Amino acid sequence: EVQLLESGGGLVQPGGSLRLSCAASGFKFSDYAMSWVRQAPGKGLEWVAGVHGPGEGLYAESVKGRFTISRDNSKSIMYLQLSSLGVEDTAIYYCAKDAVKLNGVWDPFDHWGQGTLVTVSS
Amino acid sequence: EIVLTQSPATLSLSPGERATLSCRASQSVTRNYVAWYQQKPGQAPRLLIYGASSRATDIPDRFSGSGSGTDFTLTINRLEAEDFAVYYCQQYGPSPPLIFGGGTKVEI
Repeated sequence: EVQLLESGGGLVQPGGSLRLSCAASGFKFSDYAMSWVRQAPGKGLEWVAGVHGPGEGLYAESVKGRFTISRDNSKSIMYLQLSSLGVEDTAIYYCAKDAVKLNGVWDPFDHWGQGTLVTVSS
Repeated sequence: EIVLTQSPATLSLSPGERATLSCRASQSVTRNYVAWYQQKPGQAPRLLIYGASSRATDIPDRFSGSGSGTDFTLTINRLEAEDFAVYYCQQYGPSPPLIFGGGTKVEI
């Protein structure tokens, strides 16, 4: 059974930093692209960043230069380093798995974690 | 960058009725790479449809997707109580960003 478990969320002051983790199990982690998707309170879904197998991350314009995505295939964990946080970054951050093995396409997400809440407030 | 506009924002229906949700793209979507998700309160989204019209694993056949180019539709036949939720369309494909529509809430 595929499981994705996020951790690392919490309350942080504006300008602060946080590192989120997503621990994966139940599938061969290195074979799939992974992404972070966020949802501000009462709002819709926003793709934040994604990373293919061993490759570099790709980012939404809203977080480029502030967030860094990475993965450790030996541990089946994906990370999202958040820095220079603003109140607009307050959201539930979901970890999501591509539906198809690495194929050069960013595919839909067939499994999601339950999310971790990041609150940016003074 | 593609913009996905979903309509209506809210759809008020009764169990047993049919729901028709629209997702319009600002430009043609490559190879009809459109997915639909369902999200219930307090839960993560669930993949329903990919490739505009293919049902994901274990999705009931009352859910169907159609469309091409810039206009896509999610149809839910014979609404059941568990179908009342928010639905999002998503464009995916060879390069990010992966764009979501603003969502349609299907309510009783």
